[in-house]
Amino acid sequence: QKEVEQDPGPLSVPEGAIVSLNCTYSNSAFQYFMWYRQYSRKGPELLMYTYSSGNKEDGRFTAQVDKSSKYISLFIRDSQPSDSATYLCAMRDSGSARQLTFGSGTQLTVLP
Amino acid sequence: DAGVIQSPRHEVTEMGQEVTLRCKPISGHDYLFWYRQTMMRGLELLIYFNNNVPIDDSGMPEDRFSAKMPNASFSTLKIQPSEPRDSAVYFCASSPAINEKLFFGSGTQLSVL
Repeated sequence: QKEVEQDPGPLSVPEGAIVSLNCTYSNSAFQYFMWYRQYSRKGPELLMYTYSSGNKEDGRFTAQVDKSSKYISLFIRDSQPSDSATYLCAMRDSGSARQLTFGSGTQLTVLP
Repeated sequence: DAGVIQSPRHEVTEMGQEVTLRCKPISGHDYLFWYRQTMMRGLELLIYFNNNVPIDDSGMPEDRFSAKMPNASFSTLKIQPSEPRDSAVYFCASSPAINEKLFFGSGTQLSVL
């Protein structure tokens, strides 16, 4: 079993829809949770960063962490064609030398 | 700042040939990472450097892979000899500190025939 599981998609939604992207993980030591967005033929870029459980909102994006269920989500409200990309979850524990563990990514297409 | 710069963008080579991928990190970033991305395995960390010193190379798949960072503004990842299973997108990333945000380059698409 992988440490981080992510639905690969692809996911296709109409413009304006609410999108929910999810990851589950098995390592209870993970404390820091991130979402990276990767456009085609580009490197990933950090979109959201949260620590421990709870919600974090940034514009149309909301990141949610449920440590008791080992489950994280990214919600996109009023989705736009420019949101079409692959979304990767990433996480790490609190050890200073520990590197990120990435999910495999969910490919999202928002249709105009 | 121009961001992390990788070259070449695309590399097509034949099995058995040596391949060298290059990376220029963001100025002032003390950490440099090499990742490999494939459909099957996703994004995998190969090796990372701190202040030009390799810290963790446990992700390097085998002895055919080697990485160097001769100075703060340049790193190479070399594969010798290359094999078809090395075909992937190789990303370089840098960050100002170990637990800070990663800044990725645009990657090198490697195809080994």
